[in-house]
Amino acid sequence: DIQMTQSPFSLSAAVGDRVTITCQASQDINNNLNWYQQKPGKAPTLLIYAASNLEIGVPSRFSGGGSGTDFSFTISSLQPEDFATYYCQQYDNFRVTFGPGTKVDVK
Amino acid sequence: QVQLVESGGGVVQPGRSLRLSCAASGFNFRNYNMHWVRQAPGKGLEWVTFISFDGSNSYFADSVKGRFTISRDNSRNTVSLQMSSLRGEDTAVYHCAREAPSSRGFDMWGQGTMVTVSS
Repeated sequence: DIQMTQSPFSLSAAVGDRVTITCQASQDINNNLNWYQQKPGKAPTLLIYAASNLEIGVPSRFSGGGSGTDFSFTISSLQPEDFATYYCQQYDNFRVTFGPGTKVDVK
Repeated sequence: QVQLVESGGGVVQPGRSLRLSCAASGFNFRNYNMHWVRQAPGKGLEWVTFISFDGSNSYFADSVKGRFTISRDNSRNTVSLQMSSLRGEDTAVYHCAREAPSSRGFDMWGQGTMVTVSS
């Protein structure tokens, strides 16, 4: 099975900061990589699909990049509503793996 | 209203069984692959299982293979997760999720149903 790692495990940031999270797959997954945001007590929401495509309705301050095994997720200017946990997720032949998550909290 | 609503969670003893259901509304359910994803208290997301749009294919995480089965009824817009031989490590909130055909992202999630395995 494909394993996913994320870094950092958590980070503290201020409103307006640029935030970048990385995700690494244990083998080449092309661009089969999605990013989700989850707030406490809520279901996750899809932000980025196929590594770099913004889901409809998601603000443009969110972006993603990468291919193969190395991926990144960036929030260009952190907003108060962005404090949450972010997960990468790979999709390989109907088997799915989530990364361990990155918690973004207030500095 | 476009939504997924899970039901069937509760407290169950180790070794027993439980059946979860997910009711879909507001979209053409029969066109979508569906998944179950769980989240243990204070932990991250764990994919559990997938079923294809027509029910012809399904896949499971190694942690539940042989113990869980998934099915769907496209006439009733429901997907079900039958869980047996439950263990303490199966304790989690279970979400059903819709897979977007084009992006293959999980673009709709239910709020989840809590399963607690405890004696």
